Amino acid sequence: ELKVEQNPLFLSMQEGKNYTIYCNYSTTSDRLYWYRQDPGKSLESLFVLLSNGAVKQEGRLMASLDTKARLSTLHITAAVHDLSATYFCAAQPYTGTASKLTFGTGTRLQVTL
Amino acid sequence: AAGVIQSPRHLIKEKRETATLKCYPIPRHDTVYWYQQGPGQDPQFLISFYEKMQSDKGSIPDRFSAQQFSDYHSELNMSSLELGDSALYFCASSSSGTGPRLNRNNEQFFGPGTRLTVL
Repeated sequence: ELKVEQNPLFLSMQEGKNYTIYCNYSTTSDRLYWYRQDPGKSLESLFVLLSNGAVKQEGRLMASLDTKARLSTLHITAAVHDLSATYFCAAQPYTGTASKLTFGTGTRLQVTL
Repeated sequence: AAGVIQSPRHLIKEKRETATLKCYPIPRHDTVYWYQQGPGQDPQFLISFYEKMQSDKGSIPDRFSAQQFSDYHSELNMSSLELGDSALYFCASSSSGTGPRLNRNNEQFFGPGTRLTVL
């Protein structure tokens, strides 16, 4: 059974600082997603990583995937308060029809002024 | 662009009542997934449908049932509601099609969710 672990679970950081969220998954997965969720809101797709070595960047966020290590990272550069949210990674074991997502525990990010 | 539509957005029920949640996938998407997210928890997969047939089943209680209709919308029926059923329920949809967007096949797009509160 696929298991996905994230760390840290909670991250408090000052504006302007850099940090990385880690996502480990237990079995081979074809696709890795990163989502952002604000309290009580839906899941906003940030990145979809399809292959080993994939790196994607959007603004202050950069995600990467190492399929050999079964590790994905979400790097935050020069954090700003607007990035405060909960971030989930999710693994999709195969890209065939109706392949479900298994989510990590989430990382609650709080950016302080 | 059209997104996944869920209704209702909020629902309040008493214990032992029933509830029906509806999901309208993105046009031309043939697969629907249901996820449950309890307070402070990560989303948990409940069930999925492809071309109106159940495809996969996760941690869905026997009190819950779901189906996908001919127009591809899906309904999640919940009976004998318990306090622990209070959660956000997300529907996601995907397309199994081929073509230029091959890499995006089976990528799941989430709806806004239905917040169910059981009193």
